[in-house]
Amino acid sequence: SYELTQPLSVSVALGQTTTITCGGDNIGSHSVQWFQQKPGQAPVLVIYRDSVRPSGVPERFSGSKSGGTAILTISRAQAGDEADYYCQVWDSGSGVFGGGTELTVL
Amino acid sequence: EMQLVQSGGGLVQPGGSLRLSCVASGFTFSGFWMNWLRQAPGKGLEWVANINQDGNETHYVDSVKGRFTISRDNAKDSLYLQLNILRAEDTALYYCAKTGHYWDLDYWGQGSLVTVSS
Repeated sequence: SYELTQPLSVSVALGQTTTITCGGDNIGSHSVQWFQQKPGQAPVLVIYRDSVRPSGVPERFSGSKSGGTAILTISRAQAGDEADYYCQVWDSGSGVFGGGTELTVL
Repeated sequence: EMQLVQSGGGLVQPGGSLRLSCVASGFTFSGFWMNWLRQAPGKGLEWVANINQDGNETHYVDSVKGRFTISRDNAKDSLYLQLNILRAEDTALYYCAKTGHYWDLDYWGQGSLVTVSS
């Protein structure tokens, strides 16, 4: 079955830029979504189709791909960005999530 | 405003059954694929099942095949998940979610807690 690999945790200084990676075989052929989940809340879509921001998501959030990795970039990090972040693709009709990355803003 | 309101969670014994419901509003429910996902306590997200607009195509994660059934009633703008032969490892917060035009999970319900324990 298809698997997505994310780092368990990432930290960033307030106001700085950070990236969260998502690796998978031939991920270039998959459309990648990114979700933000804060404690006690349902996940929120922040990027779809690799790099498209839904309405209402700050421009500080961007998505890209490089080689076999999808990347979520958060610029000018704010305290409110502290959350778990998940990447997701569809493979053979089934949804696949990465294990999630806990973002800490220092 | 698009909204998904869930109901039906609870405590159930191993081997028991439960039915989750998700009522949609603010969009044309019959026009979109719908999903169920879950999150075990302290764990990550797991996709569970989805269903097409007409209800005649479904997909499931292997771990629930033969035990869970996803269905929908477009006349009632409602999505359902029937959970049978429940196991302790099915304990989780279950979410319904709408599939957008680009296969993005763009709107989520508030979650329904299912606890399987004797």
